[in-house]
Amino acid sequence: DQQVKQNSPSLSVQEGRISILNCDYTNSMFDYFLWYKKYPAEGPTFLISISSIKDKNEDGRFTVFLNKSAKHLSLHIVPSQPGDSAVYFCAAPCGGNKLTFGGGTRVLVKP
Amino acid sequence: DTAVSQTPKYLVTQMGNDKSIKCEQNLGHDTMYWYKQDSKKFLKIMFSYNNKELIINETVPNRFSPKSPDKAHLNLHINSLELGDSAVYFCASSPRTSGRAQETQYFGPGTRLLVL
Repeated sequence: DQQVKQNSPSLSVQEGRISILNCDYTNSMFDYFLWYKKYPAEGPTFLISISSIKDKNEDGRFTVFLNKSAKHLSLHIVPSQPGDSAVYFCAAPCGGNKLTFGGGTRVLVKP
Repeated sequence: DTAVSQTPKYLVTQMGNDKSIKCEQNLGHDTMYWYKQDSKKFLKIMFSYNNKELIINETVPNRFSPKSPDKAHLNLHINSLELGDSAVYFCASSPRTSGRAQETQYFGPGTRLLVL
């Protein structure tokens, strides 16, 4: 049973515009969230995280927003660049060292 | 100077065979993991070892047996391979620190297993 869900399997955006990736979770005990980026034929790489004591965390062009009441987080990429074309996974620690991942959103940034 | 490496990168084999995938990390991390990414692209944890000790063992058929000879290596042995084992298998590691750094996991490039 998926505790972290990414309901948009894909997203296409023009270079320079904003990419918004969404993630919903069901477990209100989750208090930390991570975003990973994955290129084809490579492993996921850590991108950005947020703790539940914050509602926003920014790192360069990447910002993650957390809405705890809605159990929703989003990743904003501004401005989007062709090198951002990848699959993005939302994840949350769910006990011990275990991470549970969403199904991923494939982003295509068109030049 | 790859941080987390896996061999082989591709593995094509027949049903019923036994195969192993190797993983090594040079990050000095204490914890290592095996994940499976299935045809629907979901990443699911299979096993986790901390300093050679098994700490997570999800509902995985016992044909899958992890082995950690030391904390820098975590190998995955699969007996009697089945068609449904076809997937991408990722190894990962994480540091054992207090706070949230321990939850940032570093992934290897994956091993693409195809069972015919």
